[in-house]
Amino acid sequence: KNEVEQSPQNLTAQEGEFITINCSYSVGISALHWLQQHPGGGIVSLFMLSSGKKKHGRLIATINIQEKHSSLHITASHPRDSAVYICAVRPNFNKFYFGSGTKLNVKP
Amino acid sequence: KAGVTQTPRYLIKTRGQQVTLSCSPISGHRSVSWYQQTPGQGLQFLFEYFSETQRNKGNFPGRFSGRQFSNSRSEMNVSTLELGDSALYLCASSPGTVNNEQFFGPGTRLTVL
Repeated sequence: KNEVEQSPQNLTAQEGEFITINCSYSVGISALHWLQQHPGGGIVSLFMLSSGKKKHGRLIATINIQEKHSSLHITASHPRDSAVYICAVRPNFNKFYFGSGTKLNVKP
Repeated sequence: KAGVTQTPRYLIKTRGQQVTLSCSPISGHRSVSWYQQTPGQGLQFLFEYFSETQRNKGNFPGRFSGRQFSNSRSEMNVSTLELGDSALYLCASSPGTVNNEQFFGPGTRLTVL
């Protein structure tokens, strides 16, 4: 049983397209994190959410606590957005659980 | 501010050996977490330390252990290495209160032969 489910697992888009990655979780949480991992392994924290919506540049993250669902949107996608995007949740200040990741490839 | 640093970056060991990995958090950060990433299992939480105390622990055998020093630097140790321990080991630091953004280090790539 996976506490965190992400979809899709793989996503190919053309430059400029609007992209949505989804994350559903089954546990009560204190926070949800969206992470980005480029080839080579480095991980960057994109967002930490406990409610509502956050925006950084072309990236938007939303969370619906009642439905236990979060989405990561990328507007006007660019080849440099190609990476693996990982959703992580932390139930009640306990340990982290991670989704399996969404591999995004944006073609020029 | 310097970022999270991990040493060594690459390591090759043989089965049965033990290994110690080191993590230096961002200055002022008091919490350090460790993660294992493999192609098959993805990212998995190992443990979290805050002010030299283990605050949370993942579902890993006792061969995996860690500690945190008074300067917030952390080490993790894996004893009696198995082939399945080959992975990217990542540490992350945060200021310390529970719901803080995690800042990740570059990771240590461990290969067990």
